[in-house]
Amino acid sequence: AQSVSQHNHHVILSEAASLELGCNYSYGGTVNLFWYVQYPGQHLQLLLKYFSGDPLVKGIKGFEAEFIKSKFSFNLRKPSVQWSDTAEYFCAVTPWDNNAGNMLTFGGGTRLMVKP
Amino acid sequence: NAGVTQTPKFRILKIGQSMTLQCTQDMNHNYMYWYRQDPGMGLKLIYYSVGAGITDKGEVPNGYNVSRSTTEDFPLRLELAAPSQTSVYFCASTHPRGAGDTQYFGPGTRLTVL
Repeated sequence: AQSVSQHNHHVILSEAASLELGCNYSYGGTVNLFWYVQYPGQHLQLLLKYFSGDPLVKGIKGFEAEFIKSKFSFNLRKPSVQWSDTAEYFCAVTPWDNNAGNMLTFGGGTRLMVKP
Repeated sequence: NAGVTQTPKFRILKIGQSMTLQCTQDMNHNYMYWYRQDPGMGLKLIYYSVGAGITDKGEVPNGYNVSRSTTEDFPLRLELAAPSQTSVYFCASTHPRGAGDTQYFGPGTRLTVL
């Protein structure tokens, strides 16, 4: 079975600071990778996802993530955060050949607070 | 297009009570899921369904039951509520054309068991 770990549980940044949230997964085969975001009081929304091809994936709101297969990592980045990026961020993985339910395995989440 | 809707938004139960969390999606998605979210633990899959009449257990199914009589609805039943079931519950759906299709989430139900 696969697992996902997010190293930072809480991150506090000032506006305009750069962001990098770590995500590592364990799985022996090919995977699809996701970052979801949950803004305060709202439901989870997809930020970006990686299926194949270019390992640098660009998502909404200026976020990007890089898949490094040799490191089993899929770190999320943003060059300059805004107060509105305050949210909880979840990394998730599903095996590439998962046709038995398309189930996601989530990491524990990283709670980001951006100070104005 | 409402997407995935859940009711109720909040609920307080006493130990031993039962309740049903409702989930409905209007996107004609075949796959539906129930997750629970505990602080610092991420989301854990409770049950999932790949179509009407088909359900299967996820990672943490104990204490819950589900049914899927229609494509749109996927209710989650708690028969004997316990404090360990205090959590936020999310329903999600997807129409997979491949293993990596996006799951769409509902707004969640915050349940407290006292």
